[in-house]
Amino acid sequence: GAGVSQSPRYKVAKRGQDVALRCDPISGHVSLFWYQQALGQGPEFLTYFQNEAQLDKSGLPSDRFFAERPEGSVSTLKIQRTQQEDSAVYLCASSLRRQGLNSVIGQPQHFGDGTRLSIL
Amino acid sequence: AQTVTQSQPEMSVQEAETVTLSCTYDTSESDYYLFWYKQPPSRQMILVIRQEAYKQQNATENRFSVNFQKAAKSFSLKISDSQLGDAAMYFCAYRSSEGGSEKLVFGKGTKLTVNP
Repeated sequence: GAGVSQSPRYKVAKRGQDVALRCDPISGHVSLFWYQQALGQGPEFLTYFQNEAQLDKSGLPSDRFFAERPEGSVSTLKIQRTQQEDSAVYLCASSLRRQGLNSVIGQPQHFGDGTRLSIL
Repeated sequence: AQTVTQSQPEMSVQEAETVTLSCTYDTSESDYYLFWYKQPPSRQMILVIRQEAYKQQNATENRFSVNFQKAAKSFSLKISDSQLGDAAMYFCAYRSSEGGSEKLVFGKGTKLTVNP
């Protein structure tokens, strides 16, 4: 497909279980982002990759959250020992990266449908 | 840190009429990007319009236009000739052009209802 693909679409887990969420970005997109969207709120940044390098993980709420993108394409967001407050929609986005003279040009981010995670 | 504020949790408009959604932001940077995204109930976030802060001309995309007031740090979205398909959550977002991260900072959103 041409868009960002996320799986699973829905995930239900018991508190304390580990979960893994997958993101397949648009082919050729260097930048990949993960966001967490609580019910009725705007998305909040979790982490950012440029190719396989995780350049910003300042938004990860705790050390239970871990993300990887080993080959610079597909990314996985893992949450260990899930807690009820982890319940949210997790959005993945990807974008091209264009370097301007002094800064990176703001390319639009393309979002997937998200994974709705429910922790019981 | 940058913040984005959308002061209208909900708005409604009659079909074919015009509506304006408000957004203000706080930053100390001089160069940055601003975006409006639309999120229908199906959840996929779709880009509506983008504005580069160094450009004085307001961005326009068909029925969608922005009123960008840099000094006031205001970035409102105007939807003309509203259609039923415009009903969605609308998010204003800020992206720094400084530093290495290209993350977006979102507002809390405005839910737009379009009445037939």
